[in-house]
Amino acid sequence: SQQGEEDPQALSIQEGENATMNCSYKTSINNLQWYRQNSGRGLVHLILIRSNEREKHSGRLRVTLDTSKKSSSLLITASRAADTASYFCATDRGDRDDKIIFGKGTRLHILP
Amino acid sequence: NAGVMQNPRHLVRRRGQEARLRCSPMKGHSHVYWYRQLPEEGLKFMVYLQKENIIDESGMPKERFSAEFPKEGPSILRIQQVVRGDSAAYFCASSYDRDQPQHFGDGTRLSIL
Repeated sequence: SQQGEEDPQALSIQEGENATMNCSYKTSINNLQWYRQNSGRGLVHLILIRSNEREKHSGRLRVTLDTSKKSSSLLITASRAADTASYFCATDRGDRDDKIIFGKGTRLHILP
Repeated sequence: NAGVMQNPRHLVRRRGQEARLRCSPMKGHSHVYWYRQLPEEGLKFMVYLQKENIIDESGMPKERFSAEFPKEGPSILRIQQVVRGDSAAYFCASSYDRDQPQHFGDGTRLSIL
């Protein structure tokens, strides 16, 4: 299985601090995606990084990808209460008949 | 532009009954995915459909579960003779193409009495 595994499982930080979540996977990938899930809602796509990219930014989000270590990180800068959610990485090998695999997620709690 | 619509949001069934979960993908999306999620867990892939065709059903139990995505109308996930272990949140996602980001509905929470 190439399932991504997020680390840590849970993270609590003070509002305004930066939050870093990591994702490790097992096999080669075509791209890796990060999603956010608020309680009781569906997942929302945040950012996609392709295997030939090393870093990508979107607003307060920064994603890095190290294919040699088979790992990715998601950094949220200047966290806000609204960032409280679960964050999932999803890996895609790129085969048209293959499914995207989601990890178990990191539950992020921003303390006021 | 409406997002992915799932209904019902909550569904209660007794053991042995049938559950039918509906998913209308985003306009223009022909790829549909169904996932199951238990509390505090990640998403478990069930089935991937592309307009009338099942592409990958490797995550779906072979008995009691079926999925379809007809030419007209929503995608349906059908669970026959439900058991307590079927209680979970079932999410549907759609995408424009296989390698495009998936857009998720808000799920159907299935409770089995």
